[in-house]
Formats: sequence, C-alpha cells, structure tokens
Amino acid sequence: SQTIHQWPATLVQPVGSPLSLECTVEGTSNPNLYWYRQAAGRGLQLLFYSVGIGQISSEVPQNLSASRPQDRQFILSSKKLLLSDSGFYLCAWRQENTEAFFGQGTRLTVV
Amino acid sequence: AQSVTQPDIHITVSEGASLELRCNYSYGATPYLFWYVQSPGQGLQLLLKYFSGDTLVQGIKGFEAEFKRSQSSFNLRKPSVHWSDAAEYFCAVGTTGGYQKVTFGTGTKLQVIP
Repeated sequence: SQTIHQWPATLVQPVGSPLSLECTVEGTSNPNLYWYRQAAGRGLQLLFYSVGIGQISSEVPQNLSASRPQDRQFILSSKKLLLSDSGFYLCAWRQENTEAFFGQGTRLTVV
Repeated sequence: AQSVTQPDIHITVSEGASLELRCNYSYGATPYLFWYVQSPGQGLQLLLKYFSGDTLVQGIKGFEAEFKRSQSSFNLRKPSVHWSDAAEYFCAVGTTGGYQKVTFGTGTKLQVIP
C-alpha cells in the first residue's frame, strides 16, 4: 500500500533562518506531488506541484522554493524565513486522475 | 482556471440532526470532485469522490454527496450527525489532463452541539 511521510511535525524557526521540509512517498511510482499551505479561513493554498523529477511548477510567487531530487521525494525550502511564512504545510501525492493523499502536515512557526 | 466556493465558513448543528454542506465549483471540463475532512492539526482524509457515473456518491462515515452539473454543485450530506463529525470539511476539484492540479475551497468548520 502507498504511504506518505512528512517531517518534521512541528518546527519553530527564527526570522531569517533557512527552511527545509521533506516529504517522501512509498508504494507508488512517478506520482504527482504537491505542497500546500493552510492558513485559518483561507483553505489550502497550492504552493508547488511536480509531475516528475526536476519538474516544479510554482503557483504563488513567494519566499519559498521546491525541489524534487528523486521520484518520490519532494522538498520545500526557503533561504530566509519571514514571519508570514508561518502556517501549516501539507504534502500530497496523486496519480493521474485520482484523488490526492495527504501527509500529516508540518506546523511551522516563524518567530 | 478552476475554483471552488464553500459559502459557509462555520456551521453548528445539533447531534442527530441532518447536515448539508454546500460546494460550488468552476471548471471548464468534466470535473473530478472530492470532499475531505480534517481534524485539528491533522492531514486531510478523503470522505468521497466523484469521477463519473452515478451522480449520488456514498462515502465513509455515512456521508454522501450529489453532483449537479446544471448547478455546478457537489453538496455533502449526512442524515444524522454524530459528535465525532465535528471537524473542518473541504471540497475540492481535480483537473484532468496535463497539469493535474487539485484546488480546494476555503473549508467549512462544523460544530456539533449536544
């Protein structure tokens, strides 16, 4: 069966520090991968999605970047965090024309 | 571009009462539609999905949803709500073809009172 792992679960980082959130998927090949951010009252905002290794599409210009170094690994990064980067980050995977499956999320607090 | 509207930010129902959560979508082709539920601090769990065929779909936990193409709606229903149903509910539309995006609504927070 397929599983998705996302870590860390919680993270407190100072303003200006770097960020790296990792997501890995098991039990499937060549998935579509997604990073979402959730803020209260704003639903899930799609940040990045990837249809293959090295292929990243950005939905919202901001202080974040994403990379997909391996087929089932998706990384969300920032060189310098801002207060506004605080939120709940969710990784998801999907095969073509199916539903999306989500990780348990990372609560990021920038202080 | 596709979009999803959930007009109710917050709904309160009594335990045992019926529930309907509204969802309207905008998408140029035949959509893939989903309802997810999220407990606080957790990821999202799929309740049900519509791809094609019967427009009334059954999901887990006693939920159902009806796809109405003429109204661009996919409302979620449950005949009798349990206290454990208190959570946030998200409607989503999935694109077909090249870009494979899933776009979510802003969510409806359900409170269940005894």
